[in-house]
Amino acid sequence: DVKVTQSSRYLVKRTGEKVFLECVQDMDHENMFWYRQDPGLGLRLIYFSYDVKMKEKGDIPEGYSVSREKKERFSLILESASTNQTSMYLCASSLGGDFSYEQYFGPGTRLTVT
Amino acid sequence: ILNVEQSPQSLHVQEGDSTNFTCSFPSSNFYALHWYRWETAKSPEALFVMTLNGDEKKKGRISATLNTKEGYSYLYIKGSQPEDSATYLCAFLGDAGNMLTFGGGTRLMVKP
Repeated sequence: DVKVTQSSRYLVKRTGEKVFLECVQDMDHENMFWYRQDPGLGLRLIYFSYDVKMKEKGDIPEGYSVSREKKERFSLILESASTNQTSMYLCASSLGGDFSYEQYFGPGTRLTVT
Repeated sequence: ILNVEQSPQSLHVQEGDSTNFTCSFPSSNFYALHWYRWETAKSPEALFVMTLNGDEKKKGRISATLNTKEGYSYLYIKGSQPEDSATYLCAFLGDAGNMLTFGGGTRLMVKP
């Protein structure tokens, strides 16, 4: 079974702090994704990566950056956390070559910025 | 930004009822449609990936149909059980795209 893990289930940070959210997948998937989920808005893509050191902006990249130094690990960075980044963050991975492959999700990190 | 709509937003049914809900998406430039189930405190899990007009997929009591010409997909659950309680998400992929666009989800609650 594909397993996608995220570093924390719950996180509370202060405004202005630098925040790292880590995601690891164990199935050698090429594609990895970061989403945020807010009530009534569905999942919105922040960034994705299709290979090591490669990244592409999603629909809402502002205020975020990402890092993919190893194939299995994809990190989301909030350079200076703000209260409007309070949300549920989900990481996902999928096979490469075609973005129609199903995505496998982690359990999510609920981030609160105070 | 693409418009992917799901209806209804939420649904309460009794155990044993059959139910269905809708995902609407752009009818042009279709490439694929995904359905996911997201149970509370768990990770979203893929149910179906649909790529052809007229596709019908089935997994146990859950099935889905696809109409790409008119831009909609239906998800059906036959004989709902409490363990079917979850949020059901659809996601659209256009033929020029590399990103899924998710609908807002339908939250299903099945009462015993």
